[in-house]
Amino acid sequence: EAQVTQNPRYLITVTGKKLTVTCSQNMNHEYMSWYRQDPGLGLRQIYYSMNVEVTDKGDVPEGYKVSRKEKRNFPLILESPSPNQTSLYFCASRKGTGELFFGEGSRLTVL
Amino acid sequence: SQQGEEDPQALSIQEGENATMNCSYKTSINNLQWYRQNSGRGLVHLILIRSNEREKHSGRLRVTLDTSKKSSSLLITASRAADTASYFCATETDSWGKLQFGAGTQVVVTP
Repeated sequence: EAQVTQNPRYLITVTGKKLTVTCSQNMNHEYMSWYRQDPGLGLRQIYYSMNVEVTDKGDVPEGYKVSRKEKRNFPLILESPSPNQTSLYFCASRKGTGELFFGEGSRLTVL
Repeated sequence: SQQGEEDPQALSIQEGENATMNCSYKTSINNLQWYRQNSGRGLVHLILIRSNEREKHSGRLRVTLDTSKKSSSLLITASRAADTASYFCATETDSWGKLQFGAGTQVVVTP
């Protein structure tokens, strides 16, 4: 089944404790992206990657890192999480310039 | 800042009625996409319309695009309770890869 898989789906952590949210897709898509969703703000793009070893900042990259060492994986790294990074995070992928396929989301709470 | 903004923010209708929501954006686009989200789940792609297209249909969905007014509309005909969801427009400009979402329209369809 074609899918985008995110882990963990739910996480509660404390300020400053490094964490990684993994994202994997099995559709051989070149493009992958991370979004955060906050009430009233819709989805805001954090980082995206057009292909392996190619990453670019979205609209809200501060406090986040990404890497794209393999085509299927695009982890989101929070080196020192803060409470304002409490959010619902979505990973998405696509082939070419068409529709995005989304994961089910990762709900992160930073205390 | 967000590229696309949906209007209205919320819409409540009865089954069988049509639902129309609008999306306005600020800069020239290559394509505009509509997505649906059920309560905190991942987004699902509905329709993509390119800048040289004016109207597209998919089942009970009709999307129009007016590039002179920088606006798009999504019409759901003969709505069903299962159409209850949030609907988002997303725009992609010449900066391929930066797909920006609006804040969404929350649609409630009552039986």
